[in-house]
Amino acid sequence: GAVVSQHPSWVICKSGTSVKIECRSLDFQATTMFWYRQFPKQSLMLMATSNEGSKATYEQGVEKDKFLINHASLTLSTLTVTSAHPEDSSFYICSAFGPRGDEQFFGPGTRLTVL
Amino acid sequence: GNSVTQMEGPVTLSEEAFLTINCTYTATGYPSLFWYVQYPGEGLQLLLKATKADDKGSNKGFEATYRKETTSFHLEKGSVQVSDSAVYFCALSDRSNAGNMLTFGGGTRLMVKP
Repeated sequence: GAVVSQHPSWVICKSGTSVKIECRSLDFQATTMFWYRQFPKQSLMLMATSNEGSKATYEQGVEKDKFLINHASLTLSTLTVTSAHPEDSSFYICSAFGPRGDEQFFGPGTRLTVL
Repeated sequence: GNSVTQMEGPVTLSEEAFLTINCTYTATGYPSLFWYVQYPGEGLQLLLKATKADDKGSNKGFEATYRKETTSFHLEKGSVQVSDSAVYFCALSDRSNAGNMLTFGGGTRLMVKP
């Protein structure tokens, strides 16, 4: 149990376009999900906390107008990278608190490459 | 603020060798400590955790002891296997921070050769 999926697993897009990444909790409901960014050979940096039915809470330095987060249901959160640029290329990972609420379960990640 | 520091990799070992990956932390509250493992192409998986001082977390032959006096949570395994090759992340969750958000170390890549 407590499986988190992401779609797509990788995406290549042109500079200036927008890309949507989906994060789903497959067998449980998740009122809170997290979005992380991971640069090559570096650690995960928390971007924002996504709360079902309310606005996301962004970490300092993360542009909320560039990284739009929508948590419209208890099993789905989406991250949209708007007007993507090459510096947005990264590995984006989501996570969700499991059914007991005391452990985060991570998705497999989405690799974004902006040309 | 909270921070986690772990040894840089890659760590390259032969099969059946002893493994230690060092992790130290700084936290304002009383954190819980975690080790996550990321296999190639997969998401992070919780390997083990400890929620208070002197607790020992263990799983799949890996162990780590929560040492408050040295603010450390070093990961150890007595005999590594090729299948243990992965990236290992040390992390903390500060209970004083609502929501149990995680702070990660930089990750250590382990490569085990047959």
